[in-house]
Amino acid sequence: KQEVTQIPAALSVPEGENLVLNCSFTDSAIYNLQWFRQDPGKGLTSLLLIQSSQREQTSGRLNASLDKSSGRSTLYIAASQPGDSATYLCAVSKAGSARQLTFGSGTQLTVLP
Amino acid sequence: SAVISQKPSRDICQRGTSLTIQCQVDSQVTMMFWYRQQPGQSLTLIATANQGSEATYESGFVIDKFPISRPNLTFSTLTVSNMSPEDSSIYLCSVLQGNSIEQFFGPGTRLTVL
Repeated sequence: KQEVTQIPAALSVPEGENLVLNCSFTDSAIYNLQWFRQDPGKGLTSLLLIQSSQREQTSGRLNASLDKSSGRSTLYIAASQPGDSATYLCAVSKAGSARQLTFGSGTQLTVLP
Repeated sequence: SAVISQKPSRDICQRGTSLTIQCQVDSQVTMMFWYRQQPGQSLTLIATANQGSEATYESGFVIDKFPISRPNLTFSTLTVSNMSPEDSSIYLCSVLQGNSIEQFFGPGTRLTVL
């Protein structure tokens, strides 16, 4: 059974810092990995998707990397802003299927002004 | 990406009652899913809503407790039946569109059961 772990559970940084969020998964037979953002009491916003054949994806100040063989992904946020404060979730789907997403427990990020 | 709406956005219900949550998409989608997020926890997949047939449930979830309908390619409902306080969660629908492998989520329904 796939298990997804995110470290740290919570992170507080001053505005302007670069930061890295970590995600690990136990079964490397994944189809893709997706990073989401969740604001308090709200739904999920898709940030980046990395297919299993890819190593990284970038969108603006966000860069996500994937090392499938070691079961790890990182989300790098450059020049953090208070508006980046949210919970960040990673999720993986099974090889051969984009359907079932297994989620990590999330990293709660606070960017202090 | 598809625009997804859910109704209600939140509700407070009494123990033993049932609540039906609606998920509406502004365009036809290939697949629709229902997830639960219990307080302080991450998301767990409840079921895949199949158009015109019975939903496919994940381990630990049953049709009697969470009946699901999907009458067409843009709409689905999830009913939480005979509710107890343990059902207090955020319920989210998500979709896959066309050949895309990227899932998009609705805004969620926050349910509190007293």
